[in-house]
Amino acid sequence: KQEVTQIPAALSVPEGENLVLNCSFTDSAIYNLQWFRQDPGKGLTSLLLIQSSQREQTSGRLNASLDKSSGRSTLYIAASQPGDSATYLCAVYTGTASKLTFGTGTRLQVTL
Amino acid sequence: DGGITQSPKYLFRKEGQNVTLSCEQNLNHDAMYWYRQDPGQGLRLIYYSQIVNDFQKGDIAEGYSVSREKKESFPLTVTSAQKNPTAFYLCASSRAAPVPGELFFGEGSRLTVL
Repeated sequence: KQEVTQIPAALSVPEGENLVLNCSFTDSAIYNLQWFRQDPGKGLTSLLLIQSSQREQTSGRLNASLDKSSGRSTLYIAASQPGDSATYLCAVYTGTASKLTFGTGTRLQVTL
Repeated sequence: DGGITQSPKYLFRKEGQNVTLSCEQNLNHDAMYWYRQDPGQGLRLIYYSQIVNDFQKGDIAEGYSVSREKKESFPLTVTSAQKNPTAFYLCASSRAAPVPGELFFGEGSRLTVL
């Protein structure tokens, strides 16, 4: 059974700092991995989708990497801003189970 | 604009009542999903549908029912059999075959049982 873990559960950084969020998964037979952002009381917004054949994806100040063999993905946020404050979730699509499994998220606060 | 619309945003229900949450998408996606989100827990899959007139149970389908009569619509009914229905419900869609693509979510519906 696929398990997805995100550590830390919460993180606070000052504005302008570069930061890394971690996502680990137990079953490496994945088709893709997706990073989302969720603001309080809102739905999830897709940030980046990485296919299993890819090593990384970039969008603006965000860069996501994928290492299937070690079961890890990282989301790098450059020059953080207060508007980046949100909960970040990763989800992996596992072929053997034909389903998407979500982590419980990292709650990020960027302070002035 | 393309997207997913969920309604209502907030819903209050008395015990013993069935309620239906609406989900409509105009992204031309074949696959649609319903998730439940509780504080401190990851999203849990209730039901999903890969094609019209077909749907599958997810991890926590008991006490819920769905229909998929149109490609654009995937309503979720929370029945009186659901023992703990107070939660935040999220609808999502994606392209289906051969592998699900990027998942897009609606804004969610918060159900409170009084």
